[in-house]
Amino acid sequence: DIQVTQSPPSLSASLGDRVTITCRASESINNYLNWYQQKPGKAPKLLIHVASKLQGGVPSRFTGSGSGTDFTLTITSLQPEDSATYYCQQSYSAPYTFGQGTKLQIK
Amino acid sequence: QVQLVESGGGLAKPGGSLRLSCAGSGFIFGDYYMSWIRQAPGKGLEWLSYISHTGTTTYYADSVMGRFTISRDNANNLLYLQMDSLRVEDTAVYYCARDQAGAAYWGQGTLVTVSS
Repeated sequence: DIQVTQSPPSLSASLGDRVTITCRASESINNYLNWYQQKPGKAPKLLIHVASKLQGGVPSRFTGSGSGTDFTLTITSLQPEDSATYYCQQSYSAPYTFGQGTKLQIK
Repeated sequence: QVQLVESGGGLAKPGGSLRLSCAGSGFIFGDYYMSWIRQAPGKGLEWLSYISHTGTTTYYADSVMGRFTISRDNANNLLYLQMDSLRVEDTAVYYCARDQAGAAYWGQGTLVTVSS
């Protein structure tokens, strides 16, 4: 199975800041990496698929990049509504494993 | 609009069984792979299983293989997860989602609690 390691587990940033979350796969997954945002008590929301394609309706301050084994999610100009837990997921081969999650707190 | 609604969660005893259902609407259900994902209380997401659009192909995570069975009824736009030999560690919110991965559409989740 492909392991996906996400970091950091948590971070705190201020309004307007830029933050980066990373995801590393245990083997090459080409660009088959997705990013989700989850708020408490809600289902995850797909933000980015195949590493860099923004899902419809997602603000352009969310950017995904990477290929092979290393990927990043960057959020610029942080807004209060960005407070959430973010997960990556590899969709290269089943089981489609998720990263451990990154809890983002807005100061 | 696309909607997925899970049902069937509740309390079960260790070793017991439950069957979850997921009703899809707003899309051609039989055209899409479907999957189940769960989230234990306070924990991360765990992908469990997928089923092909015709139901002929299925895949399971090791944690549920041999205990859980995914199936579908395309005539009635329903997805199922039969959960047998339940364990305390199966306690979680269970989500159905459209597609195998990179799912843009999820249900609201149904809570399964396994406790004696």
